[in-house]
Amino acid sequence: GDSVTQMEGPVTLSEEACLTINCTYTATGYPSLFWYVQYPGEGLQLLLKATKADDKGSNKGFEATYRKETTSFHLEKGSVQVSDSAVYFCALISTSYGKLTFGQGTILTVHP
Amino acid sequence: GAVVSQHPSRVICKSGTSVKIECRSLDFQATTMFWYRQFPKKSLMLMATSNEGSKATYEQGVEKDKFLINHASLTLSTLTVTSAHPEDSSFYICSAAGRTGLAGGPGYEQFFGPGTRLTVL
Repeated sequence: GDSVTQMEGPVTLSEEACLTINCTYTATGYPSLFWYVQYPGEGLQLLLKATKADDKGSNKGFEATYRKETTSFHLEKGSVQVSDSAVYFCALISTSYGKLTFGQGTILTVHP
Repeated sequence: GAVVSQHPSRVICKSGTSVKIECRSLDFQATTMFWYRQFPKKSLMLMATSNEGSKATYEQGVEKDKFLINHASLTLSTLTVTSAHPEDSSFYICSAAGRTGLAGGPGYEQFFGPGTRLTVL
């Protein structure tokens, strides 16, 4: 079945540091890939997505590139802010059923 | 993006009572809605898939008589936790599948509600 594996957290960074959260997946066919962000006490918000190989999703300074050859979709940001502190989930949809498969989530804390 | 609301945002109830949570897609028609449960510091666990006008499809291990799902219209799905107990305390999140494209293809995604925090005393 489909699966998503994220790097273990929590991740703690100082403001303006570089961020990389690794995500790899296993799926049949050609999945669409997503990064969601969850701020404390809130639901999930779509951060960015990519629907085919070599696509780069970007939003709010975050980027992720769909790498089919390595089955990866790593999340990156060049300079994090305190307001980026949240839980980040990598996810995929691979079937017409539309069911999302989530990674386990990575807690990011950014200190001033 | 599309807007999905949940009501209530927070509920506290006594053990043995039933609680209903509403999920609404405010600006699009959602033929499919999903219900998730999230434990503290954990990922989302899919409980069931709700299709408008038909019975919900439950994931393995989820009691369908405990968690009643109704999807009576293209904009509303409800989750009722029957005879709630403290172990049912959790964060429940719904999502609505957007008909912006073929499911799984470009433009298709799920839009999430803000979640409902259930505490059973």
